[in-house]
Amino acid sequence: DTAVSQTPKYLVTQMGNDKSIKCEQNLGHDTMYWYKQDSKKFLKIMFSYNNKELIINETVPNRFSPKSPDKAHLNLHINSLELGDSAVYFCASSHYGTGTIDTQYFGPGTRLTVL
Amino acid sequence: ELKVEQNPLFLSMQEGKNYTIYCNYSTTSDRLYWYRQDPGKSLESLFVLLSNGAVKQEGRLMASLDTKARLSTLHITAAVHDLSATYFCAVVFIQGAQKLVFGQGTRLTINP
Repeated sequence: DTAVSQTPKYLVTQMGNDKSIKCEQNLGHDTMYWYKQDSKKFLKIMFSYNNKELIINETVPNRFSPKSPDKAHLNLHINSLELGDSAVYFCASSHYGTGTIDTQYFGPGTRLTVL
Repeated sequence: ELKVEQNPLFLSMQEGKNYTIYCNYSTTSDRLYWYRQDPGKSLESLFVLLSNGAVKQEGRLMASLDTKARLSTLHITAAVHDLSATYFCAVVFIQGAQKLVFGQGTRLTINP
């Protein structure tokens, strides 16, 4: 009965490779997010989708491309991986209703290591 | 741009003591969250504070919000080892769409 799930949990890869992270939520939420947590534990939003529509796109390199095939799924594809991309990536979901976002529920995270 | 600052960033305390974590933010907001993160784990929602003067309590943790001062506090009463974790505050910020902006986190270590 996992609420927000991500795969894979760990990802180790070489510089220059392309990789994807998948996220699924079964909470019935209409909004999903990608966050990046760096080595100092700082957490910053990257993207947000509401009903499959991109609503937040922070200043993220265009090597990062999110895709939301439906409201329950949000994937993140990263091209030409760089050392600085090493981080933990969290997916989250929430209901975006009554004019404001409700509590966001986070997935377990994907620890990406670029060698 | 909204800035969210927590103080202190690191806190080591003895079991049984009381302490407070502070969260200041730079722009008006009407919603603030506190999250807990255990090492290597995900973020768990603790509290949502919706209005000025809001106070929420769960066990040994109590959170409050002063929107006029743009300040939230997370108070720990009679700390126990199980409360060791990193605590984040996060503020809803409207810039087109709404987004959560997180503080730097406070790493709390409670020693027996």
